[in-house]
Amino acid sequence: GNSVTQMEGPVTLSEEAFLTINCTYTATGYPSLFWYVQYPGEGLQLLLKATKADDKGSNKGFEATYRKETTSFHLEKGSVQVSDSAVYFCALSPNYGGSQGNLIFGKGTKLSVKP
Amino acid sequence: DGGITQSPKYLFRKEGQNVTLSCEQNLNHDAMYWYRQDPGQGLRLIYYSQIVNDFQKGDIAEGYSVSREKKESFPLTVTSAQKNPTAFYLCASRTSSGTGHTDTQYFGPGTRLTVL
Repeated sequence: GNSVTQMEGPVTLSEEAFLTINCTYTATGYPSLFWYVQYPGEGLQLLLKATKADDKGSNKGFEATYRKETTSFHLEKGSVQVSDSAVYFCALSPNYGGSQGNLIFGKGTKLSVKP
Repeated sequence: DGGITQSPKYLFRKEGQNVTLSCEQNLNHDAMYWYRQDPGQGLRLIYYSQIVNDFQKGDIAEGYSVSREKKESFPLTVTSAQKNPTAFYLCASRTSSGTGHTDTQYFGPGTRLTVL
């Protein structure tokens, strides 16, 4: 079946440190891949996405590359800020007849950035 | 402004009561979703609807019910049959490019339900 595995948190970094949050997936065919961010007490916001192999999604300094060979979609940022403190979710949308755009989520990784 | 609204933000329920959570969108999206979020877990799909007057069960539909009488609205009722309803509930709607899996889901701000 389809599933998403994220590195477990919490992750604590100092401001301006490099961030990597690992995400691997299991899916049939070529799913679309997403990163969402959730700030405390709020809903999820789309951070970036990639819909085919080797695509790179990017937004607000965050990047992730769709790696079909390693079934991965790791999130990276070169220099984190305190305002990046949030929970990050990796998700996939299966690509097969009748998949209907449903999302399968990882468990989330909490990031705390200290000044 | 276009977006998704959920109300109320906080909801308290006594055991044995049904409660209804509101979700409204003005994005003109056909598809809408309800998720449940528990601490330390990802989001789990409760129900979804692709078009008006049609909806399907997700992974954890037991104890919940929905309706989709209007394109803009997708209310969720948490019934007394739901054994552990305390959670954060998120509504979403999805763009419709025709390919399904490449579309993006947009989320509302959520409703936190607490059973007393």
